Amino acid sequence: AQTVTQSQPEMSVQEAETVTLSCTYDTSENNYYLFWYKQPPSRQMILVIRQEAYKQQNATENRFSVNFQKAAKSFSLKISDSQLGDTAMYFCASGQKLVFGQGTRLTINP
Amino acid sequence: SQTIHQWPATLVQPVGSPLSLECTVEGTSNPNLYWYRQAAGRGLQLLFYSVGIGQISSEVPQNLSASRPQDRQFILSSKKLLLSDSGFYLCAAGHLNTEAFFGQGTRLTVV
Repeated sequence: AQTVTQSQPEMSVQEAETVTLSCTYDTSENNYYLFWYKQPPSRQMILVIRQEAYKQQNATENRFSVNFQKAAKSFSLKISDSQLGDTAMYFCASGQKLVFGQGTRLTINP
Repeated sequence: SQTIHQWPATLVQPVGSPLSLECTVEGTSNPNLYWYRQAAGRGLQLLFYSVGIGQISSEVPQNLSASRPQDRQFILSSKKLLLSDSGFYLCAAGHLNTEAFFGQGTRLTVV
């Protein structure tokens, strides 16, 4: 069975700081993608970033980047220069069935 | 891009009553479809997954069922609701290894 684990239920940082959210996964799929989604208080799910497992280069989207360690099955999200609007639940997801982790509640403090 | 229509936004139902939540997709064809349940402040639990009409995979044993009568229609149902069925239900649509798009969700309260 496919599993996704986020070991940090909550995190809190000051505005403009850098924060890293952790995610590990387990899958039997050979070619798979990994995703980070953001869920603000509105509860709308928003894609933050996507990583193709067969690509060694880590994905980057503006202030968001990932550290993908395929052998360790680790997929962490780094948010640089954090902003108040980054406050949300963040979910890691993997695989064809799009299995999600339990989420990390991130709070950016002014 | 895809648009996911999910309704109603909120629903209060008595224990033992039936349930039908509908999700329709615009802007794509032959999508993978998903139903998730989210408890307050928690993660998304995958309930059902469909790769085509009439093809439903149930991921957890439960009091709910799902159907896909048309390519872009996904229905979540129950014959008799339980208190434990309360939660926030999300429908999503996507294609293999691409971004999934989500509906606005339905907050179900069973009383």
